Amino acid sequence: QKEVEQNSGPLSVPEGAIASLNCTYSDRVSQSFFWYRQYSGKSPELIMSIYSNGDKEDGRFTAQLNKASQYVSLLIRDSQPSDSATYLCAVKAPGGYQKVTFGTGTKLQVIP
Amino acid sequence: GAGVSQSPSNKVTEKGKDVELRCDPISGHTALYWYRQRLGQGLEFLIYFQGNSAPDKSGLPSDRFSAERTGESVSTLTIQRTQQEDSAVYLCASSLEAQGGTQYFGPGTRLLVL
Repeated sequence: QKEVEQNSGPLSVPEGAIASLNCTYSDRVSQSFFWYRQYSGKSPELIMSIYSNGDKEDGRFTAQLNKASQYVSLLIRDSQPSDSATYLCAVKAPGGYQKVTFGTGTKLQVIP
Repeated sequence: GAGVSQSPSNKVTEKGKDVELRCDPISGHTALYWYRQRLGQGLEFLIYFQGNSAPDKSGLPSDRFSAERTGESVSTLTIQRTQQEDSAVYLCASSLEAQGGTQYFGPGTRLLVL
């Protein structure tokens, strides 16, 4: 079982719709969760981090965390063609020596 | 510096040659990661440095790959006797535990082995 799992996609949504990206993780003690966006040919950049159960909103983006189900998701409201990218989920256990583990990413295509 | 920097930005080498890639992390960041990303693929973890602790080398694909970091500063990734399958983008990222482990990525080094 992979430590962090994501559907590779592509996930295609029409412009203006809500895009829902999902991620599951295997380490129950994971404490920090991140969503990164990677445009083709570019480096990943952080969109959001979440540490507590529930929702965290930032503009059009909402991260949702459910530690009991070991599940984290990213919702993108009013999707724009510029949101087309690969979205990487990353997870970290507590403690200074624990490294971050990335999923393989979900490719999102927003159709104009 | 303002961000993570990597050099060179592009490297073309011949099969069998050794290459050295450099990463300058954000000042004060104790953690440093190296990843490999082949075209159209996800991030492949290579090695992780955290402060003065022994590095996590579990991702290095073969003994041709090695990396060093002096203290909490520059890191170099060395690939010996390069093979065509080593062609990829090599990404470096640094982070600070106090910031929750958020990683900041450099622009990457694009390696092409002919």
